[in-house]
Amino acid sequence: DQQVKQNSPSLSVQEGRISILNCDYTNSMFDYFLWYKKYPAEGPTFLISISSIKDKNEDGRFTVFLNKSAKHLSLHIVPSQPGDSAVYFCAAPASDSGGGADGLTFGKGTHLIIQP
Amino acid sequence: DGGITQSPKYLFRKEGQNVTLSCEQNLNHDAMYWYRQDPGQGLRLIYYSQIVNDFQKGDIAEGYSVSREKKESFPLTVTSAQKNPTAFYLCASSGGGIETQYFGPGTRLLVL
Repeated sequence: DQQVKQNSPSLSVQEGRISILNCDYTNSMFDYFLWYKKYPAEGPTFLISISSIKDKNEDGRFTVFLNKSAKHLSLHIVPSQPGDSAVYFCAAPASDSGGGADGLTFGKGTHLIIQP
Repeated sequence: DGGITQSPKYLFRKEGQNVTLSCEQNLNHDAMYWYRQDPGQGLRLIYYSQIVNDFQKGDIAEGYSVSREKKESFPLTVTSAQKNPTAFYLCASSGGGIETQYFGPGTRLLVL
């Protein structure tokens, strides 16, 4: 059973507007979340992370929000640019301990398409 | 220039053949990981190693084997027991703990 879920396989957003990618999780013991960006035929690149002791983390155009009571996090990209077109994966540590040393569990990804 | 290299970029396997995917890192990371990605799917953990000469099975280890004889290297062998090996294979490394995992460029394995 998937512990990290991204229910939108794709999302189309106009250039310059806000992109909001969503992620839900089932394990309340998760204490750390990561977002990765992936282009076709390449490895994922780390984008931004958030610890469960925070509800927001910002890095330039990218902001991740965490709602622990709803077991939900979202990635906001403002403003969206053509180079943001990629698949975005939400991830969490695979085990309740180790903080990710035991690997990560990933959602299925959301394909973001930025339209000119 | 530090990073993770995977070779080859494409690999073809014949029925009943074992093939080995290479992963090397010069980031001085203790932990290394192998993931598999199928179309429309997220990444699934195959094997991981937190230290030299030690490794653990991930969620989908059946049909795969690994070794960790050197800190820099974590090769993955896809054995003939893996009935559906066609996928994109990704190697990653991290400093351990909550440190971010960094990924290599991937190897696409195809069955002839």
